[in-house]
Parts: sequence; C-alpha cells; structure tokens
Amino acid sequence: AQSVTQLDSQVPVFEEAPVELRCNYSSSVSVYLFWYVQYPNQGLQLLLKYLSGSTLVKGINGFEAEFNKSQTSFHLRKPSVHISDTAEYFCAVSDDRSGSARQLTFGSGTQLTVLP
Amino acid sequence: DAGVTQSPTHLIKTRGQQVTLRCSPKSGHDTVSWYQQALGQGPQFIFQYYEEEERQRGNFPDRFSGHQYPNYSSELNVNALLLGDSALYLCASSLVQINEKLFFGSGTQLSVL
Repeated sequence: AQSVTQLDSQVPVFEEAPVELRCNYSSSVSVYLFWYVQYPNQGLQLLLKYLSGSTLVKGINGFEAEFNKSQTSFHLRKPSVHISDTAEYFCAVSDDRSGSARQLTFGSGTQLTVLP
Repeated sequence: DAGVTQSPTHLIKTRGQQVTLRCSPKSGHDTVSWYQQALGQGPQFIFQYYEEEERQRGNFPDRFSGHQYPNYSSELNVNALLLGDSALYLCASSLVQINEKLFFGSGTQLSVL
C-alpha cells in the first residue's frame, strides 16, 4: 500500500517570504505525484503534477515542486508568497497498479497562512 | 463551461437514515470519482465510475454505493448512516484517457446527528 506524509500541519509565513511545504511518500512501485490546493468552502484545485521526465515541476500561481526518488519526497516551494496563497495544501500519490483508475492517496494536508 | 457541480451543498441527517448525493461532471468528462474528506484530514477515495460501472473501490463498507447514468452524472448513496459518516463528500471528474487530471466539485457537507 502507498501512503503520504505531510510533515507540517500548519505553516505560518510572512508575505513575500519563501515557503516550502514538505511531502514524503511510500510506495513499492513507480508513482505519480500531485499537489492540490483547497480554498475555504471550495473543492480541490490541481497545482502541479509529476508523471515522468524532469524532476522539477512548475505549476500554477508560481509554485514548483521537486521529485526526489532517493528521498521519496515531493516538496512544494514558492519563492515569494502572497496573502492570497493562504489555503490548505494537499500532497497526493497514485501508482500504476491502479491502471486507468488513478486512485489518489492524499496526505492530511498543510494549512499555509500568509501573514501581512 | 460549467465545472463539476454537486448537490446539495449541505445536508443534515440522523443516524440510521439514508442519503443520496449527486454530481454532474465537467462537460466532456466520462469518469467520476468520489472522495470522503473528514474534518482536518485529506480526502479518501471511495470509488470511481466509468461506463456506468464501478471500476475501483477504496476501503469503504458496502453501505456506500453509487451509480453512474448514461449522461455521466453520478450519485453516491450511503445507507444506515453513522455519526462517523459526517464529512465533506467530494466528486471529481476526468477523462478516462487522462485520468490523472481530476477536476473537483465544491463538495457536499454531510452532518449526521
């Protein structure tokens, strides 16, 4: 079975500062990795995904993430955050065993709060 | 272009009752997945429907069942509700060929009293 660990449940950061949200996963097979963002009272929106190829993935809203196979990590970064980035962020993994179904396993989330 | 729409947005039920939640996928999508998100936790996969059949199922009891209609819309049914079923239920749609790109609805908040 696969699992996802988001190491920080809450991350407060000042506006225009850099931020890193940490994610580690475990799986015995090749994985696909995702970061989703959830704003209050809304569904999840895909920020970025890693399927194959370059280990540095760029997403929307200036976010990027780096896949590190040896450390089984997929940390999310942004060089300068804005107040509007305040939200819950979820790391997720799926693997090829699910075939075309792409069942996602989510971490428990990290609440990013950007302070003025 | 409407995204994924779910109804109702909020629902209050009592223990033992049955509930039906509805989902209309994004235009052009043929696959619907359902997730349960308990308070303070990440979403958990319930099941996925494609071509009106359940294609894969997560670790949920048989009290949770679903249906997909020819127009690709879907329902999630939960029987014999328990207090622990209180959660946000999210529907996600996709194209089976691009199954890793899910579009989520805003969810139905179910409270079981």
